[in-house]
Amino acid sequence: DGGITQSPKYLFRKEGQNVTLSCEQNLNHDAMYWYRQDPGQGLRLIYYSQIVNDFQKGDIAEGYSVSREKKESFPLTVTSAQKNPTAFYLCASSNRQGGDIQYFGAGTRLSVL
Amino acid sequence: AQSVTQLGSHVSVSEGALVLLRCNYSSSVPPYLFWYVQYPNQGLQLLLKYTSAATLVKGINGFEAEFKKSETSFHLTKPSAHMSDAAEYFCAVSDGYNFNKFYFGSGTKLNVKP
Repeated sequence: DGGITQSPKYLFRKEGQNVTLSCEQNLNHDAMYWYRQDPGQGLRLIYYSQIVNDFQKGDIAEGYSVSREKKESFPLTVTSAQKNPTAFYLCASSNRQGGDIQYFGAGTRLSVL
Repeated sequence: AQSVTQLGSHVSVSEGALVLLRCNYSSSVPPYLFWYVQYPNQGLQLLLKYTSAATLVKGINGFEAEFKKSETSFHLTKPSAHMSDAAEYFCAVSDGYNFNKFYFGSGTKLNVKP
């Protein structure tokens, strides 16, 4: 089955710790995205990548980092600099054709211990 | 940058009643507009997409949306609500310059009463 797989489903972070959220897609999409979802705020774009080895900051990139070494994978690291990391994180992918629909993973819920 | 406003964070309707979820976008005409649905603790799924081919767009599960340029709106409707429609709905628009960048509204939670 084609789709986007996010892991883990739940993640807990200790103070001062970096954690990495995994996102893998087998849809052969060029573009991949990371969003943060907080109650009542909708989805806010953290980072996006339109092609391998290239990525751009979204609206709330501070405290996060990404890499795009393979077309299928777009991991997100939540660094210790992100002081309020508790949220639901969603990964998405789409074709590079402008305005193509996005396909979303099931999300990772990150909490702070 | 685009902005998206969804009026009403919570909407409650009776089963069988009309569903109307409101979405307004910022004044510059966006190339693409979308409605997505999210069930609890899941990702988003596409309901429908506007691409300028027609102002009335039909989506899945009986939903449709009408693009009104003069009102900068893209409201989502369904003639008759089902219990299974209870979910959170998000309106999204593409950036006017970077079509691969998207902006989402804050979402509307739809409650369907029996």
